[in-house]
Amino acid sequence: DAGITQSPRHKVTETGTPVTLRCHQTENHRYMYWYRQDPGHGLRLIHYSYGVKDTDKGEVSDGYSVSRSKTEDFLLTLESATSSQTSVYFCAISDRDLGPQHFGDGTRLSIL
Amino acid sequence: DAKTTQPPSMDCAEGRAANLPCNHSTISGNEYVYWYRQIHSQGPQYIIHGLKNNETNEMASLIITEDRKSSTLILPHATLRDTAVYYCIVRVGRGAGGTSYGKLTFGQGTILTVHP
Repeated sequence: DAGITQSPRHKVTETGTPVTLRCHQTENHRYMYWYRQDPGHGLRLIHYSYGVKDTDKGEVSDGYSVSRSKTEDFLLTLESATSSQTSVYFCAISDRDLGPQHFGDGTRLSIL
Repeated sequence: DAKTTQPPSMDCAEGRAANLPCNHSTISGNEYVYWYRQIHSQGPQYIIHGLKNNETNEMASLIITEDRKSSTLILPHATLRDTAVYYCIVRVGRGAGGTSYGKLTFGQGTILTVHP
């Protein structure tokens, strides 16, 4: 598997609390992505990054922010978690815009 | 991105070839066909992709029809570990405009069950 580490792997927290998920890569890939996966919706893109400090919104970005201060780390933040953000979150990386994306093992997040 | 249609489920005997079909009749000339799979509770795994020529790698073969409106993923010798959900994705190509930056749109996929 590509060198992608997501942390934490599991988290349970309460509505209204801030949550930060981390994606760390050792491949030096330029592109990084955050997806969420929910039953009946498949995987949906939240945010992506095309370089250090270069990020943009995906299709379900409301309630989420991201940061990429260095190539290897892409952080996803829920400023004030809501129950609708309970999901499995996947990070993906790619070395080029149209290249294959390689996924991490996911973070299972539950908002109570 | 073009929409894809896949059968919801398929079965295959271990050791036999698994042929997974995908229809993408609205595909544009610069759109690629990608295949991913997801084994339960794991992240999606890239398998193969192609534009118009058939492709083969260590995991699978991809056969794209001449009119590009459909494709078939072939796992030549399926094993129990190949049981997974298989996703066929048509992806916007370079120069298509917008800021998708290679976004992958996953549909419902095909649940492949490999039996002993």
